[in-house]
Amino acid sequence: EVQLVESGGGLVHPGGSLRLSCATSGFIFSDYWMNWVRRTPGKGLEWVAKIKQDGSDKYYVDSVKGRFTISRDNAKNSLYLQMDSLRADDTAVYYCAKTSEVKQRYRALDMWGQGTMVIVSS
Amino acid sequence: DIVMTQSPDSLAVSLGERATINCKSNQSVFYSSNKKDYLGWYQHKPGQPPKLLIYWASTRESGVPDRFSGSGSGTDFTLTISSLQAEDVAVYYCQQYYSIPTFGQGTRLEIK
Repeated sequence: EVQLVESGGGLVHPGGSLRLSCATSGFIFSDYWMNWVRRTPGKGLEWVAKIKQDGSDKYYVDSVKGRFTISRDNAKNSLYLQMDSLRADDTAVYYCAKTSEVKQRYRALDMWGQGTMVIVSS
Repeated sequence: DIVMTQSPDSLAVSLGERATINCKSNQSVFYSSNKKDYLGWYQHKPGQPPKLLIYWASTRESGVPDRFSGSGSGTDFTLTISSLQAEDVAVYYCQQYYSIPTFGQGTRLEIK
């Protein structure tokens, strides 16, 4: 059974940092592009970042470029999101999500974790 | 970035009736080399992760009931629920994966 379990969310002040983790099992993690997607109350779902199987290629939504860093550890079957210079509009539930086809960048997201809540507030 | 616009923003349909949600992109998501539309539909219920329903605009994900269907090509797409069930109450999103992924704003589906 495929499982993705996020952790690391919480309450942080504006300007602060958090590191989200996503532990995975049930599939060959190192074969897939992996993603972070967030759901905000006002904007619905927003794709945040994606990373290639070997970590050599990364993409970000414009609003987080220079502040967030996606990474992965294939030996631990884990995905990460380092979030720095956090702002109030980063408040959201953050999901990790698996791309649906091996080694393909442009595919739908077929498995998602339950999400972890990030609240940025003073 | 490709902008996805859904209509309506919310929808109330009687049990057993048809529900139709539209999604429009501001540029084509059809890739001519493989003749596929890079468009997916997701269902999102409170407290649960989003669930992939449809990919390639019209291919149902494994395990998704056949009352869900997707259609359209290029820039205009539709998700249809042929006979609404109580468990279909959710927010539905379209997403293009032709380029940097973008989602529509969501359509909230309720029971009338």
